Amino acid sequence: DTGVSQDPRHKITKRGQNVTFRCDPISEHNRLYWYRQTLGQGPEFLTYFQNEAQLEKSRLLSDRFSAERPKGSFSTLEIQRTEQGDSAMYLCASSFPDRDGAYEQYFGPGTRLTVT
Amino acid sequence: EDKVVQSPLSLVVHEGDTVTLNCSYEVTNFRSLLWYKQEKKAPTFLFMLTSSGIEKKSGRLSSILDKKELFSILNITATQTGDSAVYLCAVLTSGSARQLTFGSGTQLTVLP
Repeated sequence: DTGVSQDPRHKITKRGQNVTFRCDPISEHNRLYWYRQTLGQGPEFLTYFQNEAQLEKSRLLSDRFSAERPKGSFSTLEIQRTEQGDSAMYLCASSFPDRDGAYEQYFGPGTRLTVT
Repeated sequence: EDKVVQSPLSLVVHEGDTVTLNCSYEVTNFRSLLWYKQEKKAPTFLFMLTSSGIEKKSGRLSSILDKKELFSILNITATQTGDSAVYLCAVLTSGSARQLTFGSGTQLTVLP
């Protein structure tokens, strides 16, 4: 399968615990994005990497959230001291620019986080 | 703040009907508009529209963009039960992040 993959697919954790999610983008894509989606809403942008550099973070990304892409390939998203409001689907997407600079983003299957 | 609004929020039709989904946007530095289909999993890419008035077509689905009036429509003809999904509209803006701003989606249900 050459699509975007995410692990785990589901995570149930107790409030206050730390969790880490992994995303493996499509291999030739140098841009990687994290989004969060809650029920009945479209995905909301969290952060963006170009190669290993984290170039932008949304104000939704509080200081409990951290993301890395150490070698410009896979990425991890860690949430510390989870809260019930963190319960959501966390989606990863990757893209590579086409010739005129417009980008299609391809999404992984997501990690569904439930904080009890 | 960038905004994308989709209508209707939900739609129930019978197989064979034609549906039109709407997406309007207010963003700075518009680059392109994308449509995705989401069926209880990750969004799957349908179309990317960059220029006004040029219809994109794939089978029974088609879409067009109006950059003057700031909207797009997605048409599905001869609907099938497999078309049941949430259809998401997203706008890509120019800028360092190239992030997508999504609408909240239209839930389409096609009854047999």
